[in-house]
Parts: sequence; structure tokens; C-alpha cells
Amino acid sequence: NAGVTQTPKFQVLKTGQSMTLQCAQDMNHNSMYWYRQDPGMGLRLIYYSASEGTTDKGEVPNGYNVSRLNKREFSLRLESAAPSQTSVYFCASSGQGLNEKLFFGSGTQLSVL
Amino acid sequence: GENVEQHPSTLSVQEGDSAVIKCTYSDSASNYFPWYKQELGKGPQLIIDIRSNVGEKKDQRIAVTLNKTAKHFSLHITETQPEDSAVYFCAARSGGYQKVTFGTGTKLQVIP
Repeated sequence: NAGVTQTPKFQVLKTGQSMTLQCAQDMNHNSMYWYRQDPGMGLRLIYYSASEGTTDKGEVPNGYNVSRLNKREFSLRLESAAPSQTSVYFCASSGQGLNEKLFFGSGTQLSVL
Repeated sequence: GENVEQHPSTLSVQEGDSAVIKCTYSDSASNYFPWYKQELGKGPQLIIDIRSNVGEKKDQRIAVTLNKTAKHFSLHITETQPEDSAVYFCAARSGGYQKVTFGTGTKLQVIP
């Protein structure tokens, strides 16, 4: 079982460059999420998609865009990267109902110089 | 919004000793409290959770307690082993996962 797969694992960008982080899940989950993890700040929600065809802002959406391509895939795009976006990014997914758990990918370590 | 505080930020214990990590939350509407373990270079993984209608839950060497009145919940690991070394996150959720707030993490080191 692959679970939640993220690519790439590492990326270095120059300020102003753009890139897309890819995420796919094979658990038939309806909901998908993008988080960033910074030292001493825990995990903060950037965007989420409650179901295919919908996306909504989370706690820290500025500078990011997302696309729910289909039920399996949820991508995060940085249009013009800034040093403040240096972070570890995690994709996650969950199924329906309050009994469903949150499953995380292995993360993308992004550095913006 | 919800605010989750987690203590301590680092914890070192001798192998075989117990470890306790504590969290507090602010939103009385929070009704689900998961704990995640994050090993180096990996994503967080759920290890145990508790709902607001339960005071304690155990799974082998780990247990979680919840005090709704005081808005406290804690993770207890007994008979610690080197493989328990990781970063542990608590979280509080009201409604769906878009309403989950994470603590800032505790780095646990188990010394052999």
C-alpha cells in the first residue's frame, strides 16, 4: 500500500521561481490537505479540498495555489517563491466521517534562496 | 480559533523509564484529540487518539488521558525503548480535519 505519495522529496528554488508539488493518494479518500511544517510552529494548514472539485483556504494560504486534479491528486503551486516559503511541506488525506484518520505523505523539503 | 500548547519541547529519558507529554487546548468545541509520531525524514503517523466522551485510552505501552474540564490531554509512554525516539505532536479537532490544530511538537530522546 503506497498511501500518500509526494514528489519531489527535496527542492531548491531561487526567489521568484515557480514550482508545483505533487500529491497522490490511493486510499479512495475524499479529502486532501496541504500543510507546512516550520521549526517550533507545528503543522499549519495551507489549503484543503473536502471533495473532488472543491478547494478552500486554510490558515496560511498566501503565496500558494492548489488544484484538485481528480479524486486521487492534489497539487500545490508556488507561483513566485519567496524565502519565507522555505519549509517542509506535507500532503495528507482523510476519508468520510468523524471516525476517519488523517494520513500523511513523507514530505517535501523546500529551500528558497 | 483553537490554540493548542504542548510541553515540554524536548524530553530525554532513560530506556525503560516513562515519558509524559502534556497538551492544553482552548476551544471547548474540540471533541477529538489525536497524537502523531514523526520519525526523522518521515511524515507524522497517528499512534493513538481519544474522543471527548472518553477519559482514558490505552494501546500496549502508550496511553492518552483527557480532562475536558481543565482542557488538558496527555500522552504517556511506559517502558520506553530507543525506537520511541521521535517528535510527537498532539492535536485538537472540532468538526472536520480542516478544523484541526496541532501542537508545536515534543522531541523525545530515549537513551539506551
